Amino acid sequence: DIVLTQSPATLSLSPGDRATLSCRASQSVSSYLAWYQQRPGQPPRLLIYDASTRAAGIPARFSGSGSGTDFTLTISSLEPEDFAVYYCHQRSNWPLPFGQGTRLEIK
Amino acid sequence: QVQLVQSGAEVKKPGASVKVSCKASGYTFTSYYFHWVRQAPGQGLEWVGLMNPNSDYTHYAQKFEGRVSMTTNSSTNTVYMELTTLKSEDTAVYYCARIREAGYSSGWFAFWGQGTLVTVSS
Repeated sequence: DIVLTQSPATLSLSPGDRATLSCRASQSVSSYLAWYQQRPGQPPRLLIYDASTRAAGIPARFSGSGSGTDFTLTISSLEPEDFAVYYCHQRSNWPLPFGQGTRLEIK
Repeated sequence: QVQLVQSGAEVKKPGASVKVSCKASGYTFTSYYFHWVRQAPGQGLEWVGLMNPNSDYTHYAQKFEGRVSMTTNSSTNTVYMELTTLKSEDTAVYYCARIREAGYSSGWFAFWGQGTLVTVSS
């Protein structure tokens, strides 16, 4: 099974900072990778799919890059509502695992 | 607009079964696959399985094989997930999610239900 490893586990930044989150796959997933944001008490929200395509309604400050085994989610300038947990997810092979998450917290 | 509305919280004893529903609206029900994802308290997301509401095709994570079944009622646009032989480790919020692209089994989860908390406790 493919394993997705996210780093760092926790990222402490301030509003206005640039955030860079990483996701590494144990084997190639091509570009079949997505990023989700989850705020407390809410279901996840699709941010980026196919590694770099923003989902409908997602602000331009969110961007994704990478292919194969190494992927990055970048938030160019953090807004207060961006402090949440972020998960990567692959659909290249069953059983469709998620990464363990990166918690983005206010410094 | 697409909406997925799940059934309410459940409390079950170990060994019992639970059936969670997810009622869809705002689109053609049979055109999109559904997936179920669970999240234990304070933990990450875990994929449970999927079903095609057009054909009743299902595919489950190996971890849940033999204990989970996913069904549909097309007359009410509702999908169901039943988990049997419950253990305390099954305590989690269970989400239904609809795929973004019509006809894809393993697409991206663009729409989510609000989640159903299942608590397993003696």
